[in-house]
Amino acid sequence: KAGVTQTPRYLIKTRGQQVTLSCSPISGHRSVSWYQQTPGQGLQFLFEYFSETQRNKGNFPGRFSGRQFSNSRSEMNVSTLELGDSALYLCASSLAKGPRNYGYTFGSGTRLTVV
Amino acid sequence: SQQGEEDPQALSIQEGENATMNCSYKTSINNLQWYRQNSGRGLVHLILIRSNEREKHSGRLRVTLDTSKKSSSLLITASRAADTASYFCATDRTSGSRLTFGEGTQLTVNP
Repeated sequence: KAGVTQTPRYLIKTRGQQVTLSCSPISGHRSVSWYQQTPGQGLQFLFEYFSETQRNKGNFPGRFSGRQFSNSRSEMNVSTLELGDSALYLCASSLAKGPRNYGYTFGSGTRLTVV
Repeated sequence: SQQGEEDPQALSIQEGENATMNCSYKTSINNLQWYRQNSGRGLVHLILIRSNEREKHSGRLRVTLDTSKKSSSLLITASRAADTASYFCATDRTSGSRLTFGEGTQLTVNP
C-alpha cells in the first residue's frame, strides 16, 4: 500500500511569506502528526490531528497552524515566515490515536528554505 | 526540548562489526521506539518496546529497555554499509500522545 505522501518535497520562500504543506497519510490511518527537524533543535513536535480534531499542540508560535480533512489528509500552514523556520517538516501517520501501539509511519518530508 | 539523550553522538565501525547505541530519557513512558533516518529523508520505524518488556529482537536488531534506569540500547549485529544512517530513540510518554525524540546517533559503517 502507498506510504505517507508529503508535497512538495522542496520549497523556497521569502521571509514574510506564508506556506502550506500537505500530507496524505496511509489509507485507513486517521492520526496525523507533524514534526519540525532542524540541526539545532532536532525533532520537535508541532501538532497531532485525529478525525479532523487537533488533539495536541507543541510549543510553537501561533504562526504555525494545521488542519485535517475528512479523508484524513492534513495540511500545515506557516504564516509570516522567518529565517528560523527553515527546516525539514515531517508528517507521520498512525492507525490509532498517537504512537501508542504501532509506531508512526513517516513521509519523506518537505524541505523548507526561507531566504 | 528533547526528552533524553543518545550516546554516542557519532559511531564509526567496519562492516561486519556490531553497533550499540544508547538512549536515556527522563519521564515515565508507555513505550520506546527506535527510528532510522537516511540523510535528509523521512524516519523509518525500526522497533517498538513497551514499558513492561525488557528485550525485543527484530532481525539483526536487539533492543533492551531498563525502566528503572530510564535507558534503552539498540544493538545492530553484523552491520552493513547500508546501515549507515542516523538512529533516533523516541519515547511515548504516559502524559501525552506524542513522540519525544532524542538527539540521534550518526552511525557510519565502512565497507
